[in-house]
This record gives sequence, structure tokens and C-alpha cells, in this order.
Amino acid sequence: DGGITQSPKYLFRKEGQNVTLSCEQNLNHDAMYWYRQDPGQGLRLIYYSQIVNDFQKGDIAEGYSVSREKKESFPLTVTSAQKNPTAFYLCASSPNSYEQYFGPGTRLTVT
Amino acid sequence: GENVEQHPSTLSVQEGDSAVIKCTYSDSASNYFPWYKQELGKRPQLIIDIRSNVGEKKDQRIAVTLNKTAKHFSLHITETQPEDSAVYFCAARGYGNKLVFGAGTILRVKS
Repeated sequence: DGGITQSPKYLFRKEGQNVTLSCEQNLNHDAMYWYRQDPGQGLRLIYYSQIVNDFQKGDIAEGYSVSREKKESFPLTVTSAQKNPTAFYLCASSPNSYEQYFGPGTRLTVT
Repeated sequence: GENVEQHPSTLSVQEGDSAVIKCTYSDSASNYFPWYKQELGKRPQLIIDIRSNVGEKKDQRIAVTLNKTAKHFSLHITETQPEDSAVYFCAARGYGNKLVFGAGTILRVKS
């Protein structure tokens, strides 16, 4: 999992602003995922991509957007339409849609 | 869709004792069941997993058992140590090759 990076580690934004979270992997994994984690809760799937130029909505996609133009990169944009964006965001990748390996996460605070 | 329930939500054990965390899932077609360990502020780490064609898997002090008929699987940690203290998440791979996570178990190992 050392091959998955997320930046920045902490991000602060004002309400009404869009913000993009970076996720990069050099593991040559086909599948990539974005999850949201709120305090004391499990991981909820936002978007996932099993191949370049293709992605699907997860369980809580409203207010988020993604792109997958390169195999290595899967950026997540948190738009102003997301009502409660403050959370810990985790990116993961998988070589085979089974084992998922997580990046270090980005803690987003919107005030 | 798949639904995963995890129990207990918190578990305190004495160092050296065993710990057991249980999960149930709803989709009988689910075929992969990983367990993740997450320390405070860190990324989830895959610690053990099991596929649906296997009933039990062991790796040193940790083991996972799967009962497909009852649709439940469990994590067993023997000879617990203080460094086992963390939040543990179970997950099940269901429709669309997506992982659905349980809500997590806070394990505290008292020395």
C-alpha cells in the first residue's frame, strides 16, 4: 500500500467552494475506489473505477465527481452541492477487484 | 444490495486473552470477505481475507472462519497484545464487485 499516495493530508475550505482530492498509485492496479469515513463509522463508497475512462457511482455519489483519464490517477472533486463534506476521505486500489489497498487519506474540513 | 452487520461495536480484553468479532452479510452471492485493521488517524490495513470456497484461514495469531449457510464470518485473534488495539472492519464483496463494510469494532487490549 506504500504505492498509493493521497494529497494533501489536511485540507481546509470555505463552504461553497469546490475542492479536488488527489489519489495516485504506481502499483499498476486497474481498479480504484473512493470512500468517505465519518467519526465512529465504517467506510462508505463514493465512486469506483475498474478501468481507465470508466467509473461508476457508489452508495453516496451525490455532490461528488471523479475522472479516470490515466490508470495511475483517480481524483475526486467535492462540489458545493455536497451538504456535509467534512470527513476523512480514503482512496484505494485493487489489482483484481478483490483485495483493496488504501492510501493514507485526506482529512477535509469545510467551514 | 449487500448489507453487513458487525458485532460487537466495542470489545475490551485482557492482554493474552482471545478476541472474536462477528459479521453477518445478506447477499448469498458474496464471495470475498476481508478484514481490515485501522489505527487512529491511519489508513485501514488488510490483515486477512477469505474467499467463499474456503471455510477457515489462519495467519499466525489471527484466523477467519466463514459459514456460508448462515451467512456469517468471524475474526479470531489469539494471545492478544496491546498493539492489537485498533478499530477492525469486516467487509463483503457483493454486487458490482463492490466491498460493503461493517460499522467497525473498537478493540481495546488491557495490559
